[in-house]
Amino acid sequence: KAGVTQTPRYLIKTRGQQVTLSCSPISGHRSVSWYQQTPGQGLQFLFEYFSETQRNKGNFPGRFSGRQFSNSRSEMNVSTLELGDSALYLCASSQISPETQYFGPGTRLLVL
Amino acid sequence: AQKVTQAQTEISVVEKEDVTLDCVYETRDTTYYLFWYKQPPSGELVFLIRRNSFDEQNEISGRYSWNFQKSTSSFNFTITASQVVDSAVYFCALTLYNQGGKLIFGQGTELSVKP
Repeated sequence: KAGVTQTPRYLIKTRGQQVTLSCSPISGHRSVSWYQQTPGQGLQFLFEYFSETQRNKGNFPGRFSGRQFSNSRSEMNVSTLELGDSALYLCASSQISPETQYFGPGTRLLVL
Repeated sequence: AQKVTQAQTEISVVEKEDVTLDCVYETRDTTYYLFWYKQPPSGELVFLIRRNSFDEQNEISGRYSWNFQKSTSSFNFTITASQVVDSAVYFCALTLYNQGGKLIFGQGTELSVKP
């Protein structure tokens, strides 16, 4: 089976812009979770989607949003980018929760 | 609230040494799951092992072994005869049964194995 894929792999944006990141889960996996990784805060949970519904949400401002499509693919959006949003954004999928999550390669976002 | 603590920030060993990575977790829930992930320089988190709170059986898989002790809330990971390819950041993580899609990670332990 193909693993979790994320696009794009690298992204450079400027403050105030918005960005959309995409995640395709492993075939058959219905749960998709997103995480932000920074040197200062480590790995932090953003949100989880299951069957197109947000099931869990972390402590991030409303500028961070996501959605899931009927084929389980997921997107996350960050509006009005700030310098502190520079991070590695990781997507993970699992068949159901709380099964093991398998991670994609991540999207490295740099906000200038 | 749940918390995962990896007190060792960095560990450096010489190839073929054994190394143990420590993990201590906090939760009041009785049903939870613990994980170890490895993050090589490429950035992708690689799943290593998962343990359920009701399964304290320890396991050995090749050069890897795990020691889960509910009495001390610890879930330690040992690499026997370390190799240079083991160099990576290792993360311990916790999730609750009713929050399965939310992993709570420790800060990670950076392991450097020198030849």
